[in-house]
Order: sequence, then structure tokens, then C-alpha cells
Amino acid sequence: AQKITQTQPGMFVQEKEAVTLDCTYDTSDPSYGLFWYKQPSSGEMIFLIYQGSYDQQNATEGRYSLNFQKARKSANLVISASQLGDSAMYFCAMRDLDDKIIFGKGTRLHILP
Amino acid sequence: EADIYQTPRYLVIGTGKKITLECSQTMGHDKMYWYQQDPGMELHLIHYSYGVNSTEKGDLSSESTVSRIRTEHFPLTLESARPSHTSQYLCASSETGGRINEKLFFGSGTQLSVL
Repeated sequence: AQKITQTQPGMFVQEKEAVTLDCTYDTSDPSYGLFWYKQPSSGEMIFLIYQGSYDQQNATEGRYSLNFQKARKSANLVISASQLGDSAMYFCAMRDLDDKIIFGKGTRLHILP
Repeated sequence: EADIYQTPRYLVIGTGKKITLECSQTMGHDKMYWYQQDPGMELHLIHYSYGVNSTEKGDLSSESTVSRIRTEHFPLTLESARPSHTSQYLCASSETGGRINEKLFFGSGTQLSVL
């Protein structure tokens, strides 16, 4: 069965530092997609970045990049130059060939001034 | 940007009541999803749909039911609400085309409290 694992329940990072949020996944499908979403205290879900299983290069979107290591089944999110507004819950998610999209438990990120 | 609407935003009801949470999207997306989320916790997939007249159960067992009579509408119903149903319910949709990179667009959620 598909599974997403985020092992960091919470993280504290100094403003302007880079931060890496861990995500590992398990699937038997050869084709899948990996996503990261941000959920601020307001509760909305904000799409950040996507990585396809066949993509040769790591995805980047502004300050967000995805460190994709297919053999290790990991898809870590890297946020460069963190800002106070980055404080939120971050969820890793995976879409499989059946179009089910499952989420990890999330990591609560706190940016310290 | 995508438009997906959920109503009501907040709902407080008594035990035993029948409720329907509404979800509508205006993008013509075939795929729609319902997730249940407790505060600060993970999202659990409870229902999804590939299109009209298609509904599937998700990974988390739920006493709720869904219907998909129109492409744009994916309501969730609880026949008899209980305190254990207290949670946030998030509706989402995604584009068609069979591309694996179709991201989810989320509604604002319904916060349900059953007394």
C-alpha cells in the first residue's frame, strides 16, 4: 500500500536560514507524483511544488526546491532563506496511478526572528 | 486560479442530526476528493470521485456518504452526526487529462462540531 512518512513533527529555524523538511514514500507503482503543500494557521492548503517520478531534474519553484532521491524513495523540501511567513504546517503528498492522493502527518515549521 | 467552494464554513449541530456539507467547483474538474483533518494533524482521504456517477471510498473508514450527480457538485452527507464526527472536512478537485502532475485545488474547508 502507498504510504507517506514525515518524521519531523516540529522544527524551529532561525529566520534567513535554509531548512529541509523530510519526506519518504512507499509505492509499488512505477509512475507517481509527489507534492508539497503549506497550511498556515488560517487552514487553507497552498500548493508549493511538484516532482514526477520520471523527472530527471529536481523541481524548483522560487525559494522552494525538492531534493528527489528516487532510489531512497525520498522527496525532501528545501526552503532557502526562510521568512517569518514560512511558519506553517507542511505536508508531503503522493498521487498514484489510481488517482488517490495521500498525505503524510505533516511537519510544523516555526521560523524564529 | 481555481475556484472551489465549501459551505458552510462552520457548523455546530446536535447529535443525531442529518447534515450535508456542500462542495462545488467551477473549473470542470472531473476528479474530486474529500479529506478529514483534525487540528494540526494529517489529512485522511475519506472519499473520491473520478467523475459523474463515480464514487470511491478512501483509506479512512467514514460513516459519511457522497454523491456525484453533476460534475461541479460533490456533497458529503452524515445521516446521524455524532461527537466523533467533529473535525475539519476539506474538499478538493484536480484537472482531467490523466497527467500524474495534476495538483489538487482545495476549498476553504468546513469545521464541523457535533455536540
